[in-house]
Amino acid sequence: GDSVTQMEGPVTLSEEAFLTINCTYTATGYPSLFWYVQYPGEGLQLLLKATKADDKGSNKGFEATYRKETTSFHLEKGSVQVSDSAVYFCALSPQGGSEKLVFGKGTKLTVNP
Amino acid sequence: GAVVSQHPSRVICKSGTSVKIECRSLDFQATTMFWYRQFPKQSLMLMATSNEGSKATYEQGVEKDKFLINHASLTLSTLTVTSAHPEDSSFYICSASGESETQYFGPGTRLLVL
Repeated sequence: GDSVTQMEGPVTLSEEAFLTINCTYTATGYPSLFWYVQYPGEGLQLLLKATKADDKGSNKGFEATYRKETTSFHLEKGSVQVSDSAVYFCALSPQGGSEKLVFGKGTKLTVNP
Repeated sequence: GAVVSQHPSRVICKSGTSVKIECRSLDFQATTMFWYRQFPKQSLMLMATSNEGSKATYEQGVEKDKFLINHASLTLSTLTVTSAHPEDSSFYICSASGESETQYFGPGTRLLVL
C-alpha cells in the first residue's frame, strides 16, 4: 500500500544552519505530496505542497521538490531559526487531493540559539 | 487561516466508560471531517472520514461500533470512544476541510484510560 518514510529524529541544529529532512514515498498512481508542521501545543499546519512531478513547494523559507524518479520530497531550509522548532510531517494523498492523507512518523526539529 | 478546535484537550477515564471528543471548525464550513489516531513516535493513522449529514466511512481495521462518529452539522463532528479500555489510550486528532479541500487540523485530544 501507500506509505511515507521520513528520517528519524530528533534533529538538533544551531540557528542559521542548513536543514534537510528526508522524505521518500511509495504510491501507485500520481499522488500529491505535503509537508505539515506541528508547533508545540498546536495542531498540524500545512507548510507546503506539490501536486505533480518536478513541482517545487515553498513557504516561509522552506522548500521541497517533487522528485518522481527518486520518489522523494525532501524538505530544506537554508537558514533555520529558533522559531522553526517543531515536528515536521511528510504526507501524501493517493488520490491527488488532500483527502485520505498518509503520514510519515514525523521528525522533531530543535533549533538552538 | 482556518481554525479547528478540539475539546477536551486531555481526558482521563476509567475502563468501561465512554468518552466523547468534539471537533469544531470555528470560521468555515467543514463539509468533510477526518479523525486520526497517533501512537507515540508513530504516524497519524486515519480512522474515519465523515461528511456532514451522512454516515462515516471507516478505514479497514477500525471498529465502527467502538468509535462512533457523528457529523451532524457543518461545524461540528464528534468521536465517541465507547466502553473504553487501556489499549484505546492514544492521541486523537481531527481535521476538517471545506471548499478549498485543504485539511485544517485540530490540536488533538490526549485520552488516557485507566
